[in-house]
Amino acid sequence: ETGVTQTPRHLVMGMTNKKSLKCEQHLGHNAMYWYKQSAKKPLELMFVYSLEERVENNSVPSRFSPECPNSSHLFLHLHTLQPEDSALYLCASSQDMGNEKLFFGSGTQLSVL
Amino acid sequence: KNQVEQSPQSLIILEGKNCTLQCNYTVSPFSNLRWYKQDTGRGPVSLTIMTFSENTKSNGRYTATLDADTKQSSLHITASQLSDSASYICVVSGQAGTALIFGKGTTLSVSS
Repeated sequence: ETGVTQTPRHLVMGMTNKKSLKCEQHLGHNAMYWYKQSAKKPLELMFVYSLEERVENNSVPSRFSPECPNSSHLFLHLHTLQPEDSALYLCASSQDMGNEKLFFGSGTQLSVL
Repeated sequence: KNQVEQSPQSLIILEGKNCTLQCNYTVSPFSNLRWYKQDTGRGPVSLTIMTFSENTKSNGRYTATLDADTKQSSLHITASQLSDSASYICVVSGQAGTALIFGKGTTLSVSS
């Protein structure tokens, strides 16, 4: 157990659905991240929050909308996704932003039909 | 362009055998390099970190090396076990404040 919990573990949704991914960290960290992991590709950084403020948005389509209500919780709101958005979505946290050790959750395996 | 290349892409070995995974990077300036292990259905977990001044570091049966001059790192696994079956990801940190650079990973399968 890494101290980072993600729910749900698996999600199947249609292109017109709206769903949310949830991440919670119990480590007292100040930075939280969303990564996308697709087969045969490196992890792609999507969003970074530091002290509850978004500090990075890597040209992610607007159909992905992050929310960080406090330093322990991070959400990724999904709407009108495309089949190519099917992937493993990983949440991570670190003590602070920068060259820090990342603690990952187990991820949400998303399938868009 | 900052890149991290890992080889081989996949590897199958018999239980008890040793293996070495490679990571070459072009990230500059360089801060540190981490190896992560990702079990199937789980998120990556840090195995070890290598800084500029370190050449070798061991963590149990895992030994990482770093040659900052040639920008190469390796992860050597000794006396492999079935539980070593996983994806191993090399991640390089450049200048402070810049994004981490991830390799695509090496998928290791250990069979009995």
